Amino acid sequence: AQKVTQAQTEISVVEKEDVTLDCVYETRDTTYYLFWYKQPPSGELVFLIRRNSFDEQNEISGRYSWNFQKSTSSFNFTITASQVVDSAVYFCALSGGSNYKLTFGKGTLLTVNP
Amino acid sequence: GAVVSQHPSRVICKSGTSVKIECRSLDFQATTMFWYRQFPKQSLMLMATSNEGSKATYEQGVEKDKFLINHASLTLSTLTVTSAHPEDSSFYICSASRTSGVGGNEQFFGPGTRLTVL
Repeated sequence: AQKVTQAQTEISVVEKEDVTLDCVYETRDTTYYLFWYKQPPSGELVFLIRRNSFDEQNEISGRYSWNFQKSTSSFNFTITASQVVDSAVYFCALSGGSNYKLTFGKGTLLTVNP
Repeated sequence: GAVVSQHPSRVICKSGTSVKIECRSLDFQATTMFWYRQFPKQSLMLMATSNEGSKATYEQGVEKDKFLINHASLTLSTLTVTSAHPEDSSFYICSASRTSGVGGNEQFFGPGTRLTVL
């Protein structure tokens, strides 16, 4: 069975602070994919990143960066110099190599205050 | 590319009526479409997976007679909530994938439909 744990239910920061959202996963598949999505108040999911299990390189995209560590089954997401527009619910998700279904974590509500 | 639309975006209906939600892939052919349900401040829960031209596969605990799914073409899937009740009020989200059976293929999400049953 697949499982995604986002232990942080809510995080509140002040603008320009850096913030890291944690994601821990469980799977028996040797090939799997990890995702991060952003869900702003409008409700529409916004795709942020997809990473396969064989690529442990960290990735940076502007103010966003991701740290994938297979040894600890974690795929953490860091926003540098946070902005009010980053306020949203962020979901980490997992898809197994033999199973196209996405398993979502419970999400982390990030509030960035001015 | 890879745009998915949903219609309607919001619907309010009376208890006992049926509501149909459409999910369309606008610029690609979707072999597989997924339907999710999201309660306020909760995560997305997969309801069912549908492949074009075949019956949908429902997740455990989802009533297939209540949530009818039809995937009649490669660009359209519909979810019909039959005899809706207030507890069916939720945010329904669809997604579409170009290829079935491969775990890494990205799912493209629609904007969601907010259903309120009075």
